[in-house]
Amino acid sequence: EVVMTQSPVTLSVSPGERATLSCRASQSVNSKVAWYQQRPGQSPRLLIYGASTRATGIPDRFSGSGSGTDFTLTISTLQSEDFAVYFCQQYNNWSWTFGQGTKVDIK
Amino acid sequence: QVQLVQSGAEVTKPGASVKVSCKTSGYAFTRYMIHWVRQAPGQRPEWMGWVDTRNGNTEYSQEFQGRVTITRDTSASTAYMQLSSLRSEDTAVYFCARDWSFGWFFDYWGQGTLITVSS
Repeated sequence: EVVMTQSPVTLSVSPGERATLSCRASQSVNSKVAWYQQRPGQSPRLLIYGASTRATGIPDRFSGSGSGTDFTLTISTLQSEDFAVYFCQQYNNWSWTFGQGTKVDIK
Repeated sequence: QVQLVQSGAEVTKPGASVKVSCKTSGYAFTRYMIHWVRQAPGQRPEWMGWVDTRNGNTEYSQEFQGRVTITRDTSASTAYMQLSSLRSEDTAVYFCARDWSFGWFFDYWGQGTLITVSS
């Protein structure tokens, strides 16, 4: 099983600042990585797929990068609605595993 | 618009079974796979299995093999997940999610169904 490890566990950021979230796979997953945002009591919302492609309707302050085993989600200018938990997911070779999440909270 | 609407929360006892439904609308049901994912409190999401809505073929995570059954009813555009031999560790929110293609990421999710297993 591919293990996805996210860092940091919690990221404290002020509104308007930049947030950088990391995700590492235990083996290469090519570019088969998605990022999801989850607010309390809600289901995950797709932000990024293919490591760097924004999903429909996602603001351009969200960007993704990486390939192989190391991936990054960047939120360029944090808005109040961006404070949430973010999960990475790999979907390589008909398997699906998630990272443990990074909580972005208000500094 | 695409919607996946799940059945309501349930409280059940250890050893029992539970069946959760996922009614879809806004798209052609048989053009997309449906996955089931669960999330225990404060934990990462965990993939459970998928159903190919075209033919009913399924695949399950080893973690749930033998306890989970995923089915679909094309006439109702609905997928189902049944989990048996429940234990307290199965207390979680269970989500259905649509696969963007076949074996890809999840582009739409249901609202989640809380299953509580307690004696």
